[in-house]
Amino acid sequence: GQNIDQPTEMTATEGAIVQINCTYQTSGFNGLFWYQQHAGEAPTFLSYNVLDGLEEKGRFSSFLSRSKGYSYLLLKELQMKDSASYLCAVRDSNYQLIWGAGTKLIIKP
Amino acid sequence: IAGITQAPTSQILAAGRRMTLRCTQDMRHNAMYWYRQDLGLGLRLIHYSNTAGTTGKGEVPDGYSVSRANTDDFPLTLASAVPSQTSVYFCASSAGTGESGTQYFGPGTRLTVL
Repeated sequence: GQNIDQPTEMTATEGAIVQINCTYQTSGFNGLFWYQQHAGEAPTFLSYNVLDGLEEKGRFSSFLSRSKGYSYLLLKELQMKDSASYLCAVRDSNYQLIWGAGTKLIIKP
Repeated sequence: IAGITQAPTSQILAAGRRMTLRCTQDMRHNAMYWYRQDLGLGLRLIHYSNTAGTTGKGEVPDGYSVSRANTDDFPLTLASAVPSQTSVYFCASSAGTGESGTQYFGPGTRLTVL
């Protein structure tokens, strides 16, 4: 079966760096997405990886290793507004997204 | 409007009643999707449409139906609601493949079936 694993919850301190991991086993691979979802709101797109390596967008970076079925989202200079859930999703051979359950990130002052 | 809108924002429904959740996008995206999100679970795909006039079943289609008469609208119907359909429902759309296949989400409908 298809499976996306990410930690359920993480805690970090304002101003620090946090890395959220995602491992996947899917039928085919056509890209990996990270989304941010604040409580009570819709998911919003953060990043997309289809080739191995690091993609950087401001304070957020996302890494992909297709051979290991592994990705991480790196958040730098954490701000209180970064408190949210972070969703990892893989697009499979049918071009459908398979979603992880999300990682709830708690930022403490 | 800009993006995707959903209606209603929330609804309490008696079991056995019929309900249609509405979704409209103005981005001229070809593909549209309906997901449900339950606590502790990832987003689960209910139905999708790759282009107007076509629809397909996702991971959890039972008890739901959709139609795609035009590019902009993608309503989701619960023919006879049951309590297990209590959830938050998100509609999404995407333009194509690659990074343009990024899905953009509506604000969601919170549905409670009693």
